[in-house]
Amino acid sequence: QVQLQESGPGLVKPSQTLSLTCTVSGGSISSGGYYWSWIRQHPGKGLEWIGYIYYSGSTYYNPSLKSRVTISVDTSKNQFSLKLSSVTAADTAVYYCARGDYYDSSGYFFDYWGQGTLVTVSS
Amino acid sequence: DIQMTQSPSSLSASVGDRVTITCRASQSISSYLNWYQQKPGKAPKLLIYAASSLQSGVPSRFSGSGSGTDFTLTISSLQPEDFATYYCQQSYSTPPTFGQGTRLEIK
Repeated sequence: QVQLQESGPGLVKPSQTLSLTCTVSGGSISSGGYYWSWIRQHPGKGLEWIGYIYYSGSTYYNPSLKSRVTISVDTSKNQFSLKLSSVTAADTAVYYCARGDYYDSSGYFFDYWGQGTLVTVSS
Repeated sequence: DIQMTQSPSSLSASVGDRVTITCRASQSISSYLNWYQQKPGKAPKLLIYAASSLQSGVPSRFSGSGSGTDFTLTISSLQPEDFATYYCQQSYSTPPTFGQGTRLEIK
């Protein structure tokens, strides 16, 4: 059974960089075939996809956040990470890591999720 | 980005009721539509993918239909554990986008 677990500071100051790590267990990131994503949910709101990384290191970011986002992977630790720079109060949200799996050439879904971690941006 | 709009935003129903939630895409997304269930304080759970395919382990009272721009999620007979918020998500184009959610409450 694949499990994902987010970790990182729960409080970040405005203008600083938010950093989170997702540790994957029960499966290897380097086995390929999956797209490891970050998704966030503002308090009481809907879901926003931030970006994904493939085991090879290729990435795709949401254009709305692209200028501030970096996602990286460490296959030796079976982890992938999110960095979001120049944060403001608008970045306060629950951040989830999730596994994206393709079921055909174009369609994919998020089948395994971490429990989520609340990150608050405040001085 | 493709905009996903769900209706209603909230819904009250009773155990045993048949419930339908609608999701509309701002452009055609073929059948690249997924449904998730989220309970308070928990991560979303995949219910339906490719508009109508039931994810492994999900009860058969959940079903999905539609293609193009209009989709539905139906729960045939509500159970107490089904009261939650439901989201649709398109994977036709990147970035994937979600609906705003439909909160299903106990009447």
